Formats: sequence, structure tokens, C-alpha cells
Amino acid sequence: EAGVAQSPRYKIIEKRQSVAFWCNPISGHATLYWYQQILGQGPKLLIQFQNNGVVDDSQLPKDRFSAERLKGVDSTLKIQPAKLEDSAVYLCASSSRGKMSEQYFGPGTRLTVT
Amino acid sequence: GQQVMQIPQYQHVQEGEDFTTYCNSSTTLSNIQWYKQRPGGHPVFLIQLVKSGEVKKQKRLTFQFGEAKKNSSLHITATQTTDVGTYFCVGAGSYQLTFGKGTKLSVIP
Repeated sequence: EAGVAQSPRYKIIEKRQSVAFWCNPISGHATLYWYQQILGQGPKLLIQFQNNGVVDDSQLPKDRFSAERLKGVDSTLKIQPAKLEDSAVYLCASSSRGKMSEQYFGPGTRLTVT
Repeated sequence: GQQVMQIPQYQHVQEGEDFTTYCNSSTTLSNIQWYKQRPGGHPVFLIQLVKSGEVKKQKRLTFQFGEAKKNSSLHITATQTTDVGTYFCVGAGSYQLTFGKGTKLSVIP
């Protein structure tokens, strides 16, 4: 069984630029999560999708972050414009039954904003 | 909103010593999950606890869920160098999924 795929693995941009991350969850997993993990901290949930609908986006900075899940499969997370404090690892995870089942994480995208 | 506190933040142990990390939620949880993240890696699922007072064991790891479903602990017996990493609890509330800040375990050979 293939795991959660993410790309790119690394990205360096200047502040005020835009960036997009892509995630392909495990086949058949209805729930998809995007997390932000700042160095030395625990992952912070940004958004949770159930199929292609948003379940929780309460911690997503909506003035600069957006996310979509096309056809309930792949997902993209976009930051526009980026700030220095957005430097972090962005983790995508998927699960088969939402919060009642284990999450499988992708390798993450390390973003550096200069 | 829901808060999940985890202590200690860091723990250095001699190989063979025991290790415990504690998790406490501000709200009653529907379940709690534990993950391990190796340096440079991504979180990997260890276990899920659902029932009040539940205790589960995985070899040298013992997981407990409090009677009130607001706290949990992970205990490792006789640590090994392979146990190195950060251990996170994840509390699932009615609406939110919240990671604790994690406990970073270092094992001195």
C-alpha cells in the first residue's frame, strides 16, 4: 500500500511570494489533514477535509492560507503572501475514519521564508 | 478552545531506565492517540485509547487513559537507544483534534 505523498519536499521563497504544496493521500482515505509544524513544536492542525468538504478550518489563517481538495482525493495548500513566521514543515495526513482512526503522515514539505 | 498539555518537554535517561510522559486535556476527549516522531521524520501512529480507564501494552510501552477521559500517559520500561524521538499525544474532542507539544526523549547509551 502506497503511503501519503507530498511535494515538494523542500521550498525556499522570499517573503510576500506565493507557494503551493500538494498532497496525495492513501487510496480510499476519506479524511485529509494539513498540519503546520514549527521547529521544536507539535503539529498544529490547519484544516481537515472529509471527502471534499471542510470539517475544521478554525486555525487556518484565512487571510493568507487557502486549501482545496479536488474530487475528494488530492489536496493543495497555498500561502499567499508568505511571511517569515510561515517557515515550518507542512505535514499532510490521511485517515479512513476521521478522528476515530489512526492518521498516516506524509514526509512533509519544509518551507523556508527569507 | 481545547488545549492539550504534555509534560515533560524534554527527558534524558540512561539506557535501561524507565520513561513516562503525561498528557492532560482541558476538555473531555472522545479518544486519545499517541505518535512517535524520530528526528527528521514524520509522526508515526503508536496506539489509540477510547475507553475510560483503558490500559494497553505494546512490548515495553504501556498506555493509559484516565477515568475522566481527560488525561493519559505513556510509560516505556527499560529504554533502548531505538526509543529516541519525540512522543506526542493527540486529543480528539467533539470538534477538534489537538496535538500536545510533545516530549523529546534522549537515551544515553
